Amino acid sequence: AQKITQTQPGMFVQEKEAVTLDCTYDTSDQSYGLFWYKQPSSGEMIFLIYQGSYDEQNATEGRYSLNFQKARKSANLVISASQLGDSAMYFCAITNYGQNFVFGPGTRLSVLP
Amino acid sequence: DTGVSQDPRHKITKRGQNVTFRCDPISEHNRLYWYRQTLGQGPEFLTYFQNEAQLEKSRLLSDRFSAERPKGSFSTLEIQRTEQGDSAMYLCASSSLLGEGYEQYFGPGTRLTVT
Repeated sequence: AQKITQTQPGMFVQEKEAVTLDCTYDTSDQSYGLFWYKQPSSGEMIFLIYQGSYDEQNATEGRYSLNFQKARKSANLVISASQLGDSAMYFCAITNYGQNFVFGPGTRLSVLP
Repeated sequence: DTGVSQDPRHKITKRGQNVTFRCDPISEHNRLYWYRQTLGQGPEFLTYFQNEAQLEKSRLLSDRFSAERPKGSFSTLEIQRTEQGDSAMYLCASSSLLGEGYEQYFGPGTRLTVT
């Protein structure tokens, strides 16, 4: 069985600063994918970034980067230069490539002006 | 590409009634997923289809829940004899085997309220 743990129910960050959202995972699969999604108050789930378990380099997408530490089973999301529009719920998820997606409980990020 | 659409966006029903939701995935996506999300929680997997075949169902999916994807395009999720505990947001997502990580793209959801 797969499991995602997000230990930060809520986080605050000052506008223009960087913030790290924590995610640890548990899986018995050798091959897996890790994802981060953003859910604003409007409710839609927005795909942000993906990291494959065999990828040697950390994934980056614009202001988002994923700090992947396989031995520690962590996949933290780093948001650089925070913007007010980044205020939302953030979910970490794991898949064994398509057959199942397991989401964590989420972290609510609030960006302060 | 118009994205994943879901209908209706909101549904209020009385306990004991049946409800049906529809999901139209991104046209070239062959995988379709249903999730349930309650307030303050992450989405919980319910079931998934590859083309028209339903390949996995969560233990969360009781006998009152049924999903279909008859022609491998749109999908329906039916809840029979609704209970107050069924009140939640029902999310649909689709993905493509051609995507590097099979990342899922979500619809706006159907919010169900059972009174």
